[in-house]
Amino acid sequence: TQLLEQSPQFLSIQEGENLTVYCNSSSVFSSLQWYRQEPGEGPVLLVTVVTGGEVKKLKRLTFQFGDARKDSSLHITAAQPGDTGLYLCAGLLYNQGGKLIFGQGTELSVKP
Amino acid sequence: DSGVTQTPKHLITATGQRVTLRCSPRSGDLSVYWYQQSLDQGLQFLIQYYNGEERAKGNILERFSAQQFPDLHSELNLSSLELGDSALYFCASSVSPSGGAPSNEQFFGPGTRLTVL
Repeated sequence: TQLLEQSPQFLSIQEGENLTVYCNSSSVFSSLQWYRQEPGEGPVLLVTVVTGGEVKKLKRLTFQFGDARKDSSLHITAAQPGDTGLYLCAGLLYNQGGKLIFGQGTELSVKP
Repeated sequence: DSGVTQTPKHLITATGQRVTLRCSPRSGDLSVYWYQQSLDQGLQFLIQYYNGEERAKGNILERFSAQQFPDLHSELNLSSLELGDSALYFCASSVSPSGGAPSNEQFFGPGTRLTVL
């Protein structure tokens, strides 16, 4: 059983479309991160959200942390081929050091 | 480039063998984390060290062990290797123990791809 459920697992869209990726859990996280990973490389941090209801924007990417700090979403507006990659959410539980719990990942493919 | 280095990049070995993966954290980071990434399990936390001491433990197998040395580099030892141990192994580092909190993000290395034949 995955502690952090991420959906969808695969997403193939055309350039210019919008998309949303979801991460859900029954656990409360002290913070939640979104990473992007390219093939053969390590994950690269995109954003960290901490406060329930927090919204952060990074160019065409909008990240939201749920009010109860159990879920998060990543919305991409007008996707571009350069957005192609594996997107991972990761939650930090309270009092467990730096043990990050990762979702299964969303493999995004944006076709020109 | 995250500043975290891992060697080797690729490792091919046989079942029953033992290997050592090495990680050097970013300059100034005291905490090191090891993760395993496989197709069926995704990214799984293995173990964390902070300034030489074990800080947090995940579902790390007894055949696996790690340590952090006085110069802060870390090694992950995998023994009695099985086919199912084939995976990408990532090291990450952060300044202080609660890596993942704001201003204390975990930075990942490029990984070591282990293939057990």
